[in-house]
Amino acid sequence: GAVVSQHPSRVICKSGTSVKIECRSLDFQATTMFWYRQFPKQSLMLMATSNEGSKATYEQGVEKDKFLINHASLTLSTLTVTSAHPEDSSFYICIAGDYLTGELFFGEGSRLTVL
Amino acid sequence: AQSVTQLGSHVSVSEGALVLLRCNYSSSVPPYLFWYVQYPNQGLQLLLKYTTGATLVKGINGFEAEFKKSETSFHLTKPSAHMSDAAEYFCAVSVPNNDMRFGAGTRLTVKP
Repeated sequence: GAVVSQHPSRVICKSGTSVKIECRSLDFQATTMFWYRQFPKQSLMLMATSNEGSKATYEQGVEKDKFLINHASLTLSTLTVTSAHPEDSSFYICIAGDYLTGELFFGEGSRLTVL
Repeated sequence: AQSVTQLGSHVSVSEGALVLLRCNYSSSVPPYLFWYVQYPNQGLQLLLKYTTGATLVKGINGFEAEFKKSETSFHLTKPSAHMSDAAEYFCAVSVPNNDMRFGAGTRLTVKP
């Protein structure tokens, strides 16, 4: 089946630094990438939607200048958390959309801890 | 946009008892429906999904769910709970080429 590789799986950083999370679709073209975050004991909330080659669309309340999303190719999308703060500590998950089939495929998730 | 509502944030059953986790959806077009399980400090694992065809869907670990359009429901069941079923369960909905929306989750506790 289709695979989405997400890394790093875990990252710990100091407050004020930036962290980049990558999602790669290994055997299909991810025309759309959805980025979610999950705070402890909560559900997954959509942060933004990116389509290859265009700017991401952010959900209400998500700061686009803080969460930079790049989707420059059909197999790679990145989420950069800039100037991270402890409240950004969360589980971040990418879900890739295959336009041809309409199916969605999960990345493994990245657990970010900001000290 | 599509959405799901999970009824009951916590469900507790005895080992060997029936598990029933409720999910209702809202969608303006025929939806795809999913159930995921999440164990502590892990990602989501797909239990089962409905896209088209047979409305009774069987998944892993003995779980199944039935798509009922008239009731806009997709409840998850398992005839006999096992201790290892204790986890967080998420219902989700999507439509082709669109994002996935998750329910708030239901924490299942299994008592010995």
